[in-house]
Amino acid sequence: GDSVTQMEGPVTLSEEAFLTINCTYTATGYPSLFWYVQYPGEGLQLLLKATKADDKGSNKGFEATYRKETTSFHLEKGSVQVSDSAVYFCALNNFFGNEKLTFGTGTRLTIIP
Amino acid sequence: EADIYQTPRYLVIGTGKKITLECSQTMGHDKMYWYQQDPGMELHLIHYSYGVNSTEKGDLSSESTVSRIRTEHFPLTLESARPSHTSQYLCASREDKNYNEQFFGPGTRLTVL
Repeated sequence: GDSVTQMEGPVTLSEEAFLTINCTYTATGYPSLFWYVQYPGEGLQLLLKATKADDKGSNKGFEATYRKETTSFHLEKGSVQVSDSAVYFCALNNFFGNEKLTFGTGTRLTIIP
Repeated sequence: EADIYQTPRYLVIGTGKKITLECSQTMGHDKMYWYQQDPGMELHLIHYSYGVNSTEKGDLSSESTVSRIRTEHFPLTLESARPSHTSQYLCASREDKNYNEQFFGPGTRLTVL
């Protein structure tokens, strides 16, 4: 079945540091890939998405590129801020399967001033 | 801005009580989902619906039940709450189109004493 493997957390960085959160997936067909963010006490919000190989999703300074050859969708940001502290989830939606989102386990990110 | 609502946001209740967690969306989405989120953050799909009068069990077995009598409303019911039901419950919806992301509500944090 489909699965998403996400970098273990928690991750603690200083403000303005470079961020990478690794995400790899296993799926049949051609899934769409997503990064969701969950701020404390809230539900999940879509951060960015990519629907086909080599697509780059970007939003709020975050980027991720859909790499089919390495089955990866790593999240990056060049300079993190304290307000980026949250839990980040990588997910896939396989439209050749049951159309449900398959989530990674989440990575808690804390940015210190 | 997604329009999906959950009530109550927080609920503390005693063992054996019947509870209903409400979820409503004003986007006209056919597909709706309930997830249970561990304290360790991992998300588990417990129920989903493809439209009115359609409900299916998700990947994680749950003692809860759901109904879908109206497109906009997808309530989740626990007939007899137990401490093991203590968790965060997240509702989501999406359009019936390829590549569209799921929109999440703010969640209900349930504590059963």
